[in-house]
Amino acid sequence: EAQVTQNPRYLITVTGKKLTVTCSQNMNHEYMSWYRQDPGLGLRQIYYSMNVEVTDKGDVPEGYKVSRKEKRNFPLILESPSPNQTSLYFCATGQWGTDTQYFGPGTRLTVL
Amino acid sequence: DAKTTQPNSMESNEEEPVHLPCNHSTISGTDYIHWYRQLPSQGPEYVIHGLTSNVNNRMASLAIAEDRKSSTLILHRATLRDAAVYYCILMDSSYKLIFGSGTRLLVRP
Repeated sequence: EAQVTQNPRYLITVTGKKLTVTCSQNMNHEYMSWYRQDPGLGLRQIYYSMNVEVTDKGDVPEGYKVSRKEKRNFPLILESPSPNQTSLYFCATGQWGTDTQYFGPGTRLTVL
Repeated sequence: DAKTTQPNSMESNEEEPVHLPCNHSTISGTDYIHWYRQLPSQGPEYVIHGLTSNVNNRMASLAIAEDRKSSTLILHRATLRDAAVYYCILMDSSYKLIFGSGTRLLVRP
């Protein structure tokens, strides 16, 4: 079964404590991306990756890092989280040149 | 990035057809029209897409105006499970999805 998994699904943390949200897909997709969703602002892209070792900034990359060491994984790293990064985060994957992107179930992050 | 305009919300009765409109007057010739929907507490999911011709799949139909400046997503028989936020998105060659505010569809039993 085609799957995009995110972990953790829920996280409450404190300002400044480094965290990583993982995203994994089993569809051998080249393209992966991260979005955050906030009330009134909708879904905004944070970072994306066209393939292994190829990453680029989306619309709201400040305060985030990503890596793409293997095709199936695309972790989102918050080195020093701040309260304005409290949000709902979605990972998405797709095969470049096809039309469907698949989204994970979301990670709800609260930074106190 | 090309923009789309959708009504904030729409209502429908269960078992009736629903027509969700989208305006995209600045669409370029190579932009594809995509529709995604987001059910409560879930990530967005792909519904349908098209370029110029009308399209049908098991979930919905997409009617595209001849000048491509507007399109309509058609759910032929709405069910309670179709209650969601529907996003009309223009995708260019960058493969990036730019989400607007979408249309919240309420389905009455």
